[in-house]
Amino acid sequence: GQNIDQPTEMTATEGAIVQINCTYQTSGFNGLFWYQQHAGEAPTFLSYNVLDGLEEKGRFSSFLSRSKGYSYLLLKELQMKDSASYLCAVVDSNYQLIWGAGTKLIIKP
Amino acid sequence: DTAVSQTPKYLVTQMGNDKSIKCEQNLGHDTMYWYKQDSKKFLKIMFSYNNKELIINETVPNRFSPKSPDKAHLNLHINSLELGDSAVYFCASSAGVETGELFFGEGSRLTVL
Repeated sequence: GQNIDQPTEMTATEGAIVQINCTYQTSGFNGLFWYQQHAGEAPTFLSYNVLDGLEEKGRFSSFLSRSKGYSYLLLKELQMKDSASYLCAVVDSNYQLIWGAGTKLIIKP
Repeated sequence: DTAVSQTPKYLVTQMGNDKSIKCEQNLGHDTMYWYKQDSKKFLKIMFSYNNKELIINETVPNRFSPKSPDKAHLNLHINSLELGDSAVYFCASSAGVETGELFFGEGSRLTVL
């Protein structure tokens, strides 16, 4: 079966750094997405990785290791508005998106 | 301008009723989707259409029927609503089947009493 694992919930402090991990087992791989979803809102695109390595975009970075079936989302200089769920999703060999359940990130002052 | 818009945003109805949710995208995308997000926050694909043709139809009760009159619209009709249908339904679109970035609508929260 296909599976995406990420922690259910994480807590971090404003101004700090947090890393949200995602591991996957899928039939094929055609890329990995991270989406942010604030409570009561729609998911919005954060990043896309298809090659190994780190992609940096402002305060957010995403890393991929295809051989390990592993990705992480790194958030720096945390702000209260970063409190949200972060969804990992993998594109399988049929170009279907397989979604993780999301990691709820709680930021404390 | 709203890229992907869906209506209504909130829907409260009785068991056994029939209801529809409409979705429109003005991004010029070829592919549209319906997702269901339940209380556990899992996003589950229900249907996907590419240029008005059904390409993904997951194991969804046949009480759910999508309709795509043109590639900018994908509506969802639900017959004989059940309590378990209560969820947030998201419409989304992407440039193509093999182009994964999804643009989501704001969601339609359906509550079945």
